[in-house]
Parts: sequence; C-alpha cells; structure tokens
Amino acid sequence: DVKVTQSSRYLVKRTGEKVFLECVQDMDHENMFWYRQDPGLGLRLIYFSYDVKMKEKGDIPEGYSVSREKKERFSLILESASTNQTSMYLCASISTAVREAFFGQGTRLTVV
Amino acid sequence: KNQVEQSPQSLIILEGKNCTLQCNYTVSPFSNLRWYKQDTGRGPVSLTIMTFSENTKSNGRYTATLDADTKQSSLHITASQLSDSASYICVVREKTGANNLFFGTGTRLTVIP
Repeated sequence: DVKVTQSSRYLVKRTGEKVFLECVQDMDHENMFWYRQDPGLGLRLIYFSYDVKMKEKGDIPEGYSVSREKKERFSLILESASTNQTSMYLCASISTAVREAFFGQGTRLTVV
Repeated sequence: KNQVEQSPQSLIILEGKNCTLQCNYTVSPFSNLRWYKQDTGRGPVSLTIMTFSENTKSNGRYTATLDADTKQSSLHITASQLSDSASYICVVREKTGANNLFFGTGTRLTVIP
C-alpha cells in the first residue's frame, strides 16, 4: 500500500511565523504536489516537483516556497504566515505507472 | 482552457436511496478520469479510474460511467449508506506534461437516516 504521510493533521500558527509542512511518500514516486483546498474552490495547485531539487510553480505559488532535497520528501514552506493562508493543505504523490494520485491525510492550518 | 465542472455542488439523500453525481470536462488530450472520495478532514481516496475506452466501471455500490465523446462522467451510488457522506471529487488527467491533473470542486453528499 502506498503511503503518503503529512507531518501534522492540525496546526495553529501566528501571523508572521515561518511554517513548515512536511510530506513523505514511500513508493519512490518522482512527482509530488502540494495543494490547498478551500470551500467552493476545490483543490488548487501551489507547487509541484518532478524530481529531486526540481520545483515548478503551480497556480497559486505566492507566499509559499518548497524544498525537495530527497526523493521521498517534499516540504511546503510559508515564509511569513498570513491569515489568508488558513486552509486545508494536501500533499499528493503520483505514480506515472498506474496513473493515480495518492494523497496524504491533509493538514488543517489555522493562522491567527 | 482545461476545466472540470461537477454538479450538484451539494446533495442530501435518505439512507438506502440511490444518487448520481455528474462531472463534465474540457481537458484535452484526455488520458483518464478518476473519482475520489474525501471524508471530512481526510485526504481524497481513489474510487475508480476510467480510461478513454471504458464506458462503465463498478466498485461495489459505486458505478462510474464515461462518455468520451461528450466529455461527461457520472458516479452512481446505489443503496446509499451513512458512511457514503463525503465529498466526491472528479479528477481528469491530461495526456501530456508533468502538471496535468485537473480537479473539479467536488460534490458534497450527505446521507441522512
């Protein structure tokens, strides 16, 4: 069974704090993605990576950065958290072979 | 522009009843279409995958259909159970590129006793 693990289920951070969201997958997938999910807007792509040390901006990269130092780990960084970054964050790992996206359990981030 | 639209946005049905969720897409070139179920506070989990040549696929009480000509898919849930309460998300994959997943905004299904 593929496993995608996000480091936290719930986080509460203060405005201006630097926030790290970690995602680890155990299936040696090349492609990893970070999405945020908001009511009525669905999943929106923040950043993705198709290889170690490679990253590409998604649809809403502003205010975020990412790091992929190892194939299994993809980190999302909020340099200075703001209240409009309160959201559900989902990490996905994609198998090219079976054409499926495997999602982590999500991190509910609240910025106060 | 590649888009995926789902309807209805939300749905409430009685336990034991059937329901059908719709997904229309404009993604091209088309690779496959997946329906995901997302329980509240959880990540999405795949229910079915439909490729270009497949019209119908079942997974227990879930049956997905695909009409690649009209670019429409439906997810039919039979004899609904309380545990079916969730968001159902349609995801269409484009054939080219690394960033090639397009998400619908989901249908929020609530099954009541």
